[in-house]
Amino acid sequence: DAEITQSPRHKITETGRQVTLACHQTWNHNNMFWYRQDLGHGLRLIHYSYGVHDTNKGEVSDGYSVSRSNTEDLPLTLESAASSQTSVYFCASMGYPPGGELFFGEGSRLTVL
Amino acid sequence: GENVEQHPSTLSVQEGDSAVIKCTYSDSASNYFPWYKQELGKRPQLIIDIRSNVGEKKDQRIAVTLNKTAKHFSLHITETQPEDSAVYFCAASREGNTPLVFGKGTRLSVIA
Repeated sequence: DAEITQSPRHKITETGRQVTLACHQTWNHNNMFWYRQDLGHGLRLIHYSYGVHDTNKGEVSDGYSVSRSNTEDLPLTLESAASSQTSVYFCASMGYPPGGELFFGEGSRLTVL
Repeated sequence: GENVEQHPSTLSVQEGDSAVIKCTYSDSASNYFPWYKQELGKRPQLIIDIRSNVGEKKDQRIAVTLNKTAKHFSLHITETQPEDSAVYFCAASREGNTPLVFGKGTRLSVIA
């Protein structure tokens, strides 16, 4: 079955370290997204991509970057982790054209100490 | 850009009663309005959606209504059951053009 997977599921890191969260989908979806979930803030968009080599900033993109070198993967990098980036991160994908159901991964819980 | 407000933030109902969650949006060009359910420790999953060419959509005990003039839409759950307990998110977008913008969520508790 097609799916979307995230790794690692849990990570603890220190302030200032670089962290990469992986996201891999097997639906062959062009559209991929990263959201973070925090209590009281819901799901906020970090970055998104509508295809290979396409990346766009979302509402809370500062301190994060993404790259899209193939259809299946959209890794999220925290260049220098900060305590404010402690959160649950969800990757999601959607078919073409953008619209319809958003399929979420299981989430990655990141703690920055 | 789009801004979605969701109310209430928490809601407790007795089993068998109805629950209503309301959302407003700011972008009059938004035309797609989905609702996602997130059970504790799980990923959000789509439960129902509505597009701007209809005013109401039903799926068994769940219904969504849309008022484009007032820019608000609502989720109605009838005959609530304990398994309806979860966080519910509304969202809005210009389908085909912009990513989904989510409300902050409503934690629904159904008391048996």
